[in-house]
Order: sequence, then C-alpha cells, then structure tokens
Amino acid sequence: GAVVSQHPSWVICKSGTSVKIECRSLDFQATTMFWYRQFPKQSLMLMATSNEGSKATYEQGVEKDKFLINHASLTLSTLTVTSAHPEDSSFYICSARPRDRAEYSNQPQHFGDGTRLSIL
Amino acid sequence: QKEVEQDPGPLSVPEGAIVSLNCTYSNSAFQYFMWYRQYSRKGPELLMYTYSSGNKEDGRFTAQVDKSSKYISLFIRDSQPSDSATYLCAMGEDSWGKLQFGAGTQVVVTP
Repeated sequence: GAVVSQHPSWVICKSGTSVKIECRSLDFQATTMFWYRQFPKQSLMLMATSNEGSKATYEQGVEKDKFLINHASLTLSTLTVTSAHPEDSSFYICSARPRDRAEYSNQPQHFGDGTRLSIL
Repeated sequence: QKEVEQDPGPLSVPEGAIVSLNCTYSNSAFQYFMWYRQYSRKGPELLMYTYSSGNKEDGRFTAQVDKSSKYISLFIRDSQPSDSATYLCAMGEDSWGKLQFGAGTQVVVTP
C-alpha cells in the first residue's frame, strides 16, 4: 500500500535553532501534502496545505514566516520550524494526497508516522 | 463550539465486548467521513471511509453516518487488546480537501 515517510521521527534541539522535517511519498506521486500539529491528548490541527510547485496555504493563526513549507517535487515536502521555542514542541504529522484519482478514491490522504519535536 | 465533537474518553471495555464510538458535527456541508486509529506517537491509520449517509462494514468494524442528525458512529465487534488505541473521526466537504478531526477517543480493551 501507499507509504508516507517522515524524517526525523524524533528531534531534540535548543531554543532558537531551526529544524527541518521531511515528508516523502515513497510509492506514489502527491500533488498535495498537508501538515498537521498535534499536542498531547489533542486532535490533529491542520497547519498548512502545500501543492507541488506553488506556495503553501496556511490556516488562520499559523505564522508562515515561522513554519516554512517547501514542496519542490511530487514526492517531497519539507516543513522548517524557524527559531524554534519550547512552545513549538509538538508532534508534527504530514499527509499526502495521491495524484492518481483512482488511488485516492479509497483513501484521500496517507499519513506519515509523525515527528516528535522537543525544544529545550 | 468546535466543528467536530468527540468524547476523549478513556473508554475501557473487556475483551470481546463491542466498542461504540461516535462524533457529532455542525457543518452540514461535510460529505466524507472517516475513522482513523492512532497508536501512541504514530500517525493515524485509516480504518473506515464513507460517503454521505449509510452504513459500511469491514470485518469487525462498522461505520454509520446519519447526516440528518449530524452524527457518525464506529462499532468494533469482538474487541481485542490490540484494539487499544486512540480513535479519531474526521470529515470533509470533498474527498480531496482538508479534513476536520475530532479530539479522539482513547479506547482501552482489557484482557
């Protein structure tokens, strides 16, 4: 089945550093990728939608200059948390929508396993 | 008021019992309804995906959608300890757009 890989799975870094998270669709092309954030015991909150070759669309309240999204190819999207602070510590999950309509008719989004970000 | 309401639980049931989960929503434009299972520190895994109202069955899982009441349900028959996880409902206006998630219900199936 379709697989979405996220890397790294866990990262710990000092306050003020920037962290890049990768989201790859391994066996399908994804025209759209979604980035979510999930705090402990809370639901997934959509941060932004990225389409290959164009600028990401951010949800209300999400700082686009802080959470930089690049979707340079049909199989890769990256989320960079710039100048991260402890309040940015969370579980970040990406999902990918297959380009092939027949593929997503049964499953509209394939999720990665998430990246646990801890800012000290 | 949240667009999707889901009781966070925890919901504890003995092995073999039926697990009953539900969500309510306020946006009448939602047409696509999903249930995901999420283990701790993992991404969501799709269990059921339905369009509009009706029932859908897949193995031990049954999903129901009642659009008139804006209410969806997931039933898990013959529950197993391996079913212990957080179950998230999600819904969207179209099959390719963004999804709105419930808070998730933690389910514990005890041997």
